[in-house]
Amino acid sequence: GQQVMQIPQYQHVQEGEDFTTYCNSSTTLSNIQWYKQRPGGHPVFLIQLVKSGEVKKQKRLTFQFGEAKKNSSLHITATQTTDVGTYFCAGWRGGGNKLTFGTGTQLKVEL
Amino acid sequence: GAVVSQHPSRVICKSGTSVKIECRSLDFQATTMFWYRQFPKQSLMLMATSNEGSKATYEQGVEKDKFLINHASLTLSTLTVTSAHPEDSSFYICSARARGYDEKLFFGSGTQLSVL
Repeated sequence: GQQVMQIPQYQHVQEGEDFTTYCNSSTTLSNIQWYKQRPGGHPVFLIQLVKSGEVKKQKRLTFQFGEAKKNSSLHITATQTTDVGTYFCAGWRGGGNKLTFGTGTQLKVEL
Repeated sequence: GAVVSQHPSRVICKSGTSVKIECRSLDFQATTMFWYRQFPKQSLMLMATSNEGSKATYEQGVEKDKFLINHASLTLSTLTVTSAHPEDSSFYICSARARGYDEKLFFGSGTQLSVL
């Protein structure tokens, strides 16, 4: 079945440093989504990428979809304590009927 | 944005009892509901998918007789954990797919189940 892996599993950074998480799928994705889950909370939708090579920005967050549509990345510039949480990528499978989540990257930001 | 209300947020029960978790879409019609399970510091694992008025589709390895899912209307889906055991202790989250919101999912706040 489809597997979606993310690296790294954990990342500790000092506030102000940059952060990147990488997402890799074993199969080609029609699109990819990113979610953020704060500690004790539920996943919150961040963005969806559809086109090969697509790049989207949300303030300090930059999302990229690979040319082969099998990988994606999320880059945060100058992290802040509010960025703390686990970031998941997710891809639809089963003919677009099931959303499979990646393994997640837990980000901790220290002052 | 669309809101999904999940209740209860936390439940503690004795082994052998059944627990029902409700998930309601408050201001939209949920064409599809997804139920996920999440262990501490792990990813979300899809348990089942349900469409309004039809039987749920369970993922491989998920016991349909143990995790009963009912999607009676476009705004309500329930998950009942029957004869719960300590190994069923987990964080259960529902999510809904809505018309007009493309393929974005809206998540409930989750239910932390602890079986003693």
